[in-house]
Amino acid sequence: GAVVSQHPSRVICKSGTSVKIECRSLDFQATTMFWYRQFPKQSLMLMATSNEGSKATYEQGVEKDKFLINHASLTLSTLTVTSAHPEDSSFYICSARWTGTEKLFFGSGTQLSVL
Amino acid sequence: DAKTTQPPSMDCAEGRAANLPCNHSTISGNEYVYWYRQIHSQGPQYIIHGLKNNETNEMASLIITEDRKSSTLILPHATLRDTAVYYCIVRVNTGGFKTIFGAGTRLFVKA
Repeated sequence: GAVVSQHPSRVICKSGTSVKIECRSLDFQATTMFWYRQFPKQSLMLMATSNEGSKATYEQGVEKDKFLINHASLTLSTLTVTSAHPEDSSFYICSARWTGTEKLFFGSGTQLSVL
Repeated sequence: DAKTTQPPSMDCAEGRAANLPCNHSTISGNEYVYWYRQIHSQGPQYIIHGLKNNETNEMASLIITEDRKSSTLILPHATLRDTAVYYCIVRVNTGGFKTIFGAGTRLFVKA
C-alpha cells in the first residue's frame, strides 16, 4: 500500500524557535497533501491543503505566517511552525493522495512540545 | 460536506462483530461515505468507502441504508488491535478532496 513518511516523530523545542516537519510520499506522487493538528482527546483539525507547485490553502483561523507550508515536489511537503509557543504544542499529521485515488494516506504524526 | 453523528464510545467483546453506526441525514447525492480509524498516537488509516451499495474488503463491511441517511461499519471478528477511534466522514470525490473529521466513535475491544 501507499506509504507516507513523516519526520520527526517527536520534537521538543524552546519557545521562540522554529520547527520544520517533513512529509514524504515514498511510493507515489502526491498531487495533494493535507496538514492536520490534533490536541489530546480531540479529533483532527484540518489546517491547510497544499498542491504541488502552488500556494497552500489555509483553513479559517489558521495563521499562514505562523504555519508555513511548502509543497515543492510531488513527494515532499513541509510544515514549519515559526516562533513556536507552548500553545502550539500538539500532534501534527500529514496526509497525501495522488490523482486517481479517493483515499487519503496518513503519516504517523509528529508530537511537538514547546517548552 | 454533510455532517455526521456517531456515538462517542462503544464496547465490543473480542471475536465478536463490532457494528459502528453513523448518521448522515443531510448527505447529498454525490457524497460518499468514508470510514477511517486512528489507533492511539498514530495517523488515521483508511478502512472503506461507498456511495450507495454495500461494500466489503479485507478489513470491514460497509452497509449503507437505501435512503443513504445512515450507515454501519462492521468489523466481523474484532480483535484487541481494533481498539481505536473510528471516524465516519461524508465527502464528494471531486474538487479538493478536503476531508473533515468529526468526533468519531472510540471502540474498546475487550478480552
